[in-house]
Amino acid sequence: DQQVKQNSPSLSVQEGRISILNCDYTNSMFDYFLWYKKYPAEGPTFLISISSIKDKNEDGRFTVFLNKSAKHLSLHIVPSQPGDSAVYFCAARGGGSNYKLTFGKGTLLTVNP
Amino acid sequence: DAGVIQSPRHEVTEMGQEVTLRCKPISGHDYLFWYRQTMMRGLELLIYFNNNVPIDDSGMPEDRFSAKMPNASFSTLKIQPSEPRDSAVYFCASSADTQYFGPGTRLTVL
Repeated sequence: DQQVKQNSPSLSVQEGRISILNCDYTNSMFDYFLWYKKYPAEGPTFLISISSIKDKNEDGRFTVFLNKSAKHLSLHIVPSQPGDSAVYFCAARGGGSNYKLTFGKGTLLTVNP
Repeated sequence: DAGVIQSPRHEVTEMGQEVTLRCKPISGHDYLFWYRQTMMRGLELLIYFNNNVPIDDSGMPEDRFSAKMPNASFSTLKIQPSEPRDSAVYFCASSADTQYFGPGTRLTVL
C-alpha cells in the first residue's frame, strides 16, 4: 500500500506561471516531509523540506505547504522557469524511524518557454 | 566535496551472472542507503546502514540481494544470481541529516 501518493504523473505549465505539485500521505506518524528534484541520468537532489510543526516553508521561488488534517502537502514554484523541468518526488519521514524516507512515484513537470 | 560516488554508471549482464554495485558516501555521513527505482514501484528503499551496521533490510527483495559496508567510505550491493526483473536504476544515498543521492547505476539484465 502506497503511504505517499503523487496522483499526477505529469504537469505542464508556461514559463513565468505558477507550478503546483501535490502530494498526499496516509501514515499519521510521518512528521517531516521533503521534496526532491530529479533530472534525467542524475540522482534526486534535495529541494526543500517542512516539519509537521509548521504549515509553510519558503525558499526563494519554492514554497511548501502542509495541511496535516488533510494529510496533504504541495510544492509551489513561482515563477516557473524552463530549468525547473524535472521529476519532483515527495518524501516523508517519521514513525519511529528518523532516517527512513518513503517516496511518492514522482510528477514530471514540464515548463514551456 | 565530490558527493556520493557510484560505480559503474551502467551495467549490462546476462541472467544468472553476479552483479556488484559500489558506493562511496560523502565523508562524515553516518547513514548510507540503497534504493531501487523502477517504473512500476517508483523509488523504494532496499536497506540502510548506520555507522556501517545494517539497520533495516526489510526492503531487500529476496536472498539473491545482499549489501555490505566494510568501512565508513565504501558499500556494495550484490545480486547473485541476477534476473531480468532486477533491471532498474539503483541509487546510493548518504546522510548526516538530509539524504544526498549518487547518480545511480542503470542495471540491465538480459
